[in-house]
Amino acid sequence: QVQLVESGGGVVQPGRSLRLSCAASGFTFSSYGMHWVRQAQGKGLDWVAVISYDGSKKYYVDSVKGRFSISRDNSKNTVYLEMNSLRAEDTAVYYCAKESGSYVKDYWGQGTLVTVSS
Amino acid sequence: DIQMTQSPSTLSASVGDRVTMTCRASQSISSWLAWYQQKPGKAPKLLIYKATSLESGVPSRFSGSGSGTEFTLTISSLQPDDFATYYCQQYNRYPYIFGQGTKLEIK
Repeated sequence: QVQLVESGGGVVQPGRSLRLSCAASGFTFSSYGMHWVRQAQGKGLDWVAVISYDGSKKYYVDSVKGRFSISRDNSKNTVYLEMNSLRAEDTAVYYCAKESGSYVKDYWGQGTLVTVSS
Repeated sequence: DIQMTQSPSTLSASVGDRVTMTCRASQSISSWLAWYQQKPGKAPKLLIYKATSLESGVPSRFSGSGSGTEFTLTISSLQPDDFATYYCQQYNRYPYIFGQGTKLEIK
């Protein structure tokens, strides 16, 4: 069965960096795009970034452009989110999600909490 | 960016009721719309994709309609497990913006 397991969250000071990982299993990872979506406590879903199946295409929401970078290692079945220059407003649960053949997110991880605070 | 607006923000209903919620896009997204259900502390779950297609394993009481800029999610007969927050998301163009959500509460 499909499993997505995020890790790397924690408490970090404003301006610092953090790298999230999402380990995938149960499907042919190298055939599917992968997304990161975040959710601040008590707020709605906020799409963050996507990477194509081969890593050649990447797209970001404006609020993280230039600060966040999505990447993947198909040999390790893992997608990453490198987050730099973190701000208080980046505090959220970060979910990774698999893109289906119909371009929607059909499987999600359990999320990892990132808290940006001094 | 394409903006997504859901209404109402909160919907109160009873078990057995038929409920409908709406999602509007700021410009045409054809049928590139998905609906997700989220319960507290859990990841979202895909219900509907391409505006009207039911995801495998999702009960048939859920249905989606619409195209262009106006979309609806209907639950034909509410079950206790359906009380949750529902989000629409457009995937016509990046960034893939979500609506702000409709919280379905027990009346």
